[in-house]
Amino acid sequence: QVQLVQSGAEMKKPGASLKVSCKASGYSFTNYFMHWVRQAPGQGLEWMGVINPSGGSTTYAQKFQGRVTMTRDTSTSTVYMELSSLRSEDTAVYYCLSHYNWFDPWGQGTLVTVSS
Amino acid sequence: DIQMTQSPSSLSASVGDRVTITCRASQGIRNYLAWFQQKPGKAPKSLIYAASSLQSGVPSRFSGSGSGTDFTLTISSLHPEDFATYYCQQYNSHPITFGQGTRLEIK
Repeated sequence: QVQLVQSGAEMKKPGASLKVSCKASGYSFTNYFMHWVRQAPGQGLEWMGVINPSGGSTTYAQKFQGRVTMTRDTSTSTVYMELSSLRSEDTAVYYCLSHYNWFDPWGQGTLVTVSS
Repeated sequence: DIQMTQSPSSLSASVGDRVTITCRASQGIRNYLAWFQQKPGKAPKSLIYAASSLQSGVPSRFSGSGSGTDFTLTISSLHPEDFATYYCQQYNSHPITFGQGTRLEIK
């Protein structure tokens, strides 16, 4: 069964950093790009960037350049998304999604709340 | 960045109705267009890719069309489980961008 399982919900203070994991199973991890998308409460979908699990190369949305880092661990088929200098506007559900089957599957989402 | 504009933003319809949602790109994206369905509290679900290719397991009442800048998602006969929010997405170039969503509600 092809699936992505993300780490659990997090509460962070402004200025802190965040690291969300996304573990893939059921397919060849290094063959398919992995994207990160977020969704603020009541809002639409926002693409953050993509990582090639094979070589580790990344492309980030300009909005997040300098604050986001995507990495992968091929030994555990896991990708990570780090976001630094958190602010209240970063409160959102963060999703990973694989290009395995044309932007499918998606992870279950990780709720991140940034509040003092 | 390529802007994706969906219309309408919301739509009320009844079970059995045929509905069409439109997505317009600010510049040509060939057929690099996907559609997603999202229900409250759930991750989006992929419906269509390459503008008109149906994802495995998606009912045939869903269809997509278009190329270049103008695209449509059609549901031929609404089922109760189809009431949700729908998003288009272009993947012709980075940054990947989404439409603002169309909320489909029960009339």
